[in-house]
Amino acid sequence: EAGVVQSPRYKIIEKKQPVAFWCNPISGHNTLYWYLQNLGQGPELLIRYENEEAVDDSQLPKDRFSAERLKGVDSTLKIQPAELGDSAVYLCASGTGSGEAFFGQGTRLTVV
Amino acid sequence: GDSVTQMEGPVTLSEEAFLTINCTYTATGYPSLFWYVQYPGEGLQLLLKATKADDKGSNKGFEATYRKETTSFHLEKGSVQVSDSAVYFCALLRMDSSYKLIFGSGTRLLVRP
Repeated sequence: EAGVVQSPRYKIIEKKQPVAFWCNPISGHNTLYWYLQNLGQGPELLIRYENEEAVDDSQLPKDRFSAERLKGVDSTLKIQPAELGDSAVYLCASGTGSGEAFFGQGTRLTVV
Repeated sequence: GDSVTQMEGPVTLSEEAFLTINCTYTATGYPSLFWYVQYPGEGLQLLLKATKADDKGSNKGFEATYRKETTSFHLEKGSVQVSDSAVYFCALLRMDSSYKLIFGSGTRLLVRP
């Protein structure tokens, strides 16, 4: 069974530029999460989807971050414009709704 | 609010040594508890879990027991290998409508031959 797939693995952009990350969850998983992992810290939830509905986006900085999950499968997380402090690893995870999460390899973003 | 506290790393051990990584939590209600492992350059993998008090989760020689009286979920392994070198994260899952995973800051384990 294929795991959670994220792309790109690495991204380097200049500040004020836009960037987007893509996630394909495990087939059949209705729940999708985006987490932010700063260096040396544990992941923090940005947004959780149940199918195509964002049921918890309270931690998403909505002035510059946006996310979508069209058709309740793949998801995209966007930052516009990026700031230096956004440099981190962005993790996507999926699950069946029981709370247990299966993680992708993450996208390491560097903003210069 | 709910939180997880882990011992700071790095933890450096020789191969075949005994491992303990401490984890304590603060939560309302009765969360489920997890240990995740992150190998270099990879995403987080679920290592083990426990869903209620006194449950013991185990996998690949690792064990952790859900201790409600001490709000702890310490990770142990009797004999570590070089391949166990990784970052270990303790996490709790809020069993309310949020189903939110809250992670500790991680503990890096280095095992030397």
